[in-house]
Amino acid sequence: AQTVTQSQPEMSVQEAETVTLSCTYDTSESDYYLFWYKQPPSRQMILVIRQEAYKQQNATENRFSVNFQKAAKSFSLKISDSQLGDAAMYFCAYIDGGATNKLIFGTGTLLAVQP
Amino acid sequence: GAVVSQHPSWVICKSGTSVKIECRSLDFQATTMFWYRQFPKQSLMLMATSNEGSKATYEQGVEKDKFLINHASLTLSTLTVTSAHPEDSSFYICSAGVAGLAVETQYFGPGTRLLVL
Repeated sequence: AQTVTQSQPEMSVQEAETVTLSCTYDTSESDYYLFWYKQPPSRQMILVIRQEAYKQQNATENRFSVNFQKAAKSFSLKISDSQLGDAAMYFCAYIDGGATNKLIFGTGTLLAVQP
Repeated sequence: GAVVSQHPSWVICKSGTSVKIECRSLDFQATTMFWYRQFPKQSLMLMATSNEGSKATYEQGVEKDKFLINHASLTLSTLTVTSAHPEDSSFYICSAGVAGLAVETQYFGPGTRLLVL
């Protein structure tokens, strides 16, 4: 079964600094997708960034980028120039390219941004 | 685009009553909708997957007679918590897969807080 592991329950970063959130996953599939979701105090799930496994190039969305290491099954999120609004719970998630359509979430990392 | 709404946003009910939560895709047709449950400071747990016009597929350990799911149209799915008890108190989130796009595209509703007294 596929699993997603986030080993950092909590992280803290100074405003304007850079922080990296870790995620590893386990799968035997070759076709899959990886995501980082942000859940602020409002609890609305917001898609931050996605990565297709078949793409070698790491995805980037403004201040957010990933380091996708397929062989190591690692998918970390880097947040540059951290802002107070980045404070939230961050979930790493996986979905395979087959028929299940199920998102599998990690346990989450609570990010605090210090002014 | 791709907005998902949930109603109500929060509900308080007495033990033994039933509660219905609606999930709507406002500007797109959703072939598949998903229902999650989230306890405080925990991750999302998938409860069931519903496809328009067919029976929902429940995850292992989720009581289908307790959590009734109906997906009557391409824009509406409902979750009914029957004979609710305090242990059913939780945050329920739905998501919708966009018809015509790749299966991995899901958009989340804002969630519903349920408190059973």
